[in-house]
Amino acid sequence: AQKVTQAQTEISVVEKEDVTLDCVYETRDTTYYLFWYKQPPSGELVFLIRRNSFDEQNEISGRYSWNFQKSTSSFNFTITASQVVDSAVYFCALSENFGNEKLTFGTGTRLTIIP
Amino acid sequence: ETGVTQSPTHLIKTRGQQVTLRCSSQSGHNTVSWYQQALGQGPQFIFQYYREEENGRGNFPPRFSGLQFPNYSSELNVNALELDDSALYLCASSLFQGAYNEQFFGPGTRLTVL
Repeated sequence: AQKVTQAQTEISVVEKEDVTLDCVYETRDTTYYLFWYKQPPSGELVFLIRRNSFDEQNEISGRYSWNFQKSTSSFNFTITASQVVDSAVYFCALSENFGNEKLTFGTGTRLTIIP
Repeated sequence: ETGVTQSPTHLIKTRGQQVTLRCSSQSGHNTVSWYQQALGQGPQFIFQYYREEENGRGNFPPRFSGLQFPNYSSELNVNALELDDSALYLCASSLFQGAYNEQFFGPGTRLTVL
């Protein structure tokens, strides 16, 4: 069975600080996808990134970066120079089968950026 | 290009009643998935429909049922509502092409069961 753990329930940082959101996953499959979504107060899930299990290369997109390490089954998300607009709940998710988009989500991390 | 829409936005029902939630997929998409997100939790997969047939189901009882129509819009029906059914219900649409298919989520319907 697949499982995603986000141990950090809530994080608060002062604006412009860097913050890392942790994600640990469990799966028996060798092929899978990992995701991060942002959920603002409006409720809609906003896609941030998808990474497949064959690609461990870290990725940077503006102030966002992701560190995927299969050896520790982790897919951590770092926001550099945080801004108030980054305040939201962030979910890490796992999809085991290519072509089957069933997503298993973690419980989320509520990030608050203090002005 | 029209995104995923859901109706209604909010809904209040009483225990034992039945409810129907609706989702309009993004234009051109043929697959829709439904998720239940209880307060403070991550979304949980309910089921997926592909070309009007159920294509995978999560750990939800049979009183949760769905439909997908020829225009790929979808309904989620819940019978005999229980208090624990109170949640945000999200639908997500995608275009199945054999490889990974990006899912686009709607804004959700918040259901309160009293």
